[in-house]
Amino acid sequence: QQQVKQSPQSLIVQKGGISIINCAYENTAFDYFPWYQQFPGKGPALLIAIRPDVSEKKEGRFTISFNKSAKQFSLHIMDSQPGDSATYFCAAREGTSGTYKYIFGTGTRLKVLA
Amino acid sequence: DVKVTQSSRYLVKRTGEKVFLECVQDMDHENMFWYRQDPGLGLRLIYFSYDVKMKEKGDIPEGYSVSREKKERFSLILESASTNQTSMYLCASSKIGTGGGHTQYFGPGTRLTVL
Repeated sequence: QQQVKQSPQSLIVQKGGISIINCAYENTAFDYFPWYQQFPGKGPALLIAIRPDVSEKKEGRFTISFNKSAKQFSLHIMDSQPGDSATYFCAAREGTSGTYKYIFGTGTRLKVLA
Repeated sequence: DVKVTQSSRYLVKRTGEKVFLECVQDMDHENMFWYRQDPGLGLRLIYFSYDVKMKEKGDIPEGYSVSREKKERFSLILESASTNQTSMYLCASSKIGTGGGHTQYFGPGTRLTVL
């Protein structure tokens, strides 16, 4: 049972376009929602994260939109660049301080065409 | 910079062998994690540890065990490797903390093939 559902599985976007990746969750106890970026041959790296009391967070070209009532959150990449081509994972955190663990989505492979 | 290192990038083992995957972090992080990454399944948590000699089962612990004798080192053990354990294994570490981002830092991964 997938606790964090991510879509689409793959995405192709033209350079300069907007990439949008969506995630949905069921567990209302999740309290922190990071997005990770993974390049081939590398481990995932934190890209941007949001708490459920905030509806939007922006860092440069990357924006997370969070809809608590719908239990959905999404990553928007504005002005997508070929260097953004990577696999993106959403995640959700559960647990208590010191024993947190993360549930990851299944990943989205993004390809930005030059 | 935080550094998480894994002992091997690629590993090939035979069915039934005992396999050790080692992970070391250099930032004095309390929490360490082992995941496996498979296409279409994302990252799935195998085990995690929030202190030396402490361990917690993740979502898919069957067929695996772990050891954490020192704060900086977290080992994943496949007692008797099977072909369905062929996968990419990722180690991560993070600080304990209240509030805060609690960022997980990942190693580069070990691609294990069991023949």
